[in-house]
Amino acid sequence: AQSVTQLGSHVSVSEGALVLLRCNYSSSVPPYLFWYVQYPNQGLQLLLKYTTGATLVKGINGFEAEFKKSETSFHLTKPSAHMSDAAEYFCAVSDGGDGGSQGNLIFGKGTKLSVKP
Amino acid sequence: GAGVSQSPSNKVTEKGKDVELRCDPISGHTALYWYRQSLGQGLEFLIYFQGNSAPDKSGLPSDRFSAERTGGSVSTLTIQRTQQEDSAVYLCASSFGRRGYEQYFGPGTRLTVT
Repeated sequence: AQSVTQLGSHVSVSEGALVLLRCNYSSSVPPYLFWYVQYPNQGLQLLLKYTTGATLVKGINGFEAEFKKSETSFHLTKPSAHMSDAAEYFCAVSDGGDGGSQGNLIFGKGTKLSVKP
Repeated sequence: GAGVSQSPSNKVTEKGKDVELRCDPISGHTALYWYRQSLGQGLEFLIYFQGNSAPDKSGLPSDRFSAERTGGSVSTLTIQRTQQEDSAVYLCASSFGRRGYEQYFGPGTRLTVT
C-alpha cells in the first residue's frame, strides 16, 4: 500500500522568501512521485515529477523537488516566492502498476500556500 | 491542443436523483481516471480505464456509483440515488499509460446534492 503525508496544511511566506513544502511517502515498490498545483476553482496542473534517474527534478514556475530515498521524502522548493504562487499544492505517489494498483495517484491532503506582500 | 474537458462544470441536484458526469480525455490517451475531491476526504481515486480492458472499479465508494467509457474515449460517471455526502468535485484525468506518465486533469464537475 502507498501513502503520502504532507506536513502543514497551511504555509505562509513573504514574497521573495524561500518556499519549502514537505512531502513524505511510503511505497512497497520504487515510487513515481508528483507535485500538482491547484489554483482556486481550477483543476490540477503538474508542477514536476520523478520517475527514474536524476533525483533533483526541476519543474515549471521555478519549482524543484529532490527525491531522497533514505528519507522517503520529496520536498518541493522554490528559492523566491511570488504572489502568483499562492495556491494549493498536492504531493502524489504512484506505483505505476507495479504494486498492485493501476497506476492511480495517491494524494496527500494538500498544503495551501499563502504569499504575503 | 485541447486538454481534458468535463461537463457540466456545476451540477445541483436533489437528494435521490441520478446524475451523469461526462469526461472527454485528450485524444490518443488510453488511460482514464476518475477522482473525487471533497473537504473531508481530500482527493480519492474512484475508477480506472485502460483502452478496451475491463475497468478497475476498486475505488468506487458504493454500488450507486458506476462508470463507462465508450469507444475508448469519452467516459461517463453515473451516481444513482444521490446522497448529500456525494457532494464533491469530480475530477477526470487522462494519460498515455499508467507507468509514470503524467496525468492531465480536467477542470472538474462540482456536484452539490441538496
